[in-house]
Amino acid sequence: AQTVTQSQPEMSVQEAETVTLSCTYDTSENNYYLFWYKQPPSRQMILVIRQEAYKQQNATENRFSVNFQKAAKSFSLKISDSQLGDTAMYFCAFISNFGNEKLTFGTGTRLTIIP
Amino acid sequence: DVKVTQSSRYLVKRTGEKVFLECVQDMDHENMFWYRQDPGLGLRLIYFSYDVKMKEKGDIPEGYSVSREKKERFSLILESASTNQTSMYLCASSFRYQETQYFGPGTRLLVL
Repeated sequence: AQTVTQSQPEMSVQEAETVTLSCTYDTSENNYYLFWYKQPPSRQMILVIRQEAYKQQNATENRFSVNFQKAAKSFSLKISDSQLGDTAMYFCAFISNFGNEKLTFGTGTRLTIIP
Repeated sequence: DVKVTQSSRYLVKRTGEKVFLECVQDMDHENMFWYRQDPGLGLRLIYFSYDVKMKEKGDIPEGYSVSREKKERFSLILESASTNQTSMYLCASSFRYQETQYFGPGTRLLVL
């Protein structure tokens, strides 16, 4: 079974700084997808970024980028120029490309942006 | 924009009551999911459905059942609520199984 590990339960950074959230996963599959989801306080969970394992290029979405290291099974999220609205729980998630495997989530990192 | 709605944001029930949580999506998605979110445990899949009237158990189906009579609607049923079912319940939907899941706002359920 696949597992996803987020080793930082909580982080805080000053506004405008850059922060990196770590995520590692364990799988024997070669084709899969990785996700970062964001859950702001009392608000809906939304997708931040999605990475397809067969793509070498790291995904980016405005101030959010990933460092995808397939061999190391690492998928970290970098937030540049952090803003107060980035305060949220961040979940890393994995899903295999085969069959009806379930989306496996990490336990989350609570990120607080300090004004 | 995809919209996933859940019938209640907050719910308080008594032990032994039958509880219905409803989820509706408006994007004609094939797949719908029910998760439970607890601090330190992340999201755990309770049930999912890949088509009308089809359902599959997730990691923690015990004490829950589901119903999908229409494509846009997926209901989670707690047959006899217990205090250990106090949690946040999240519904999600996706077009294809490996694609992005879109989440509802969640229902925070308290069972007394």
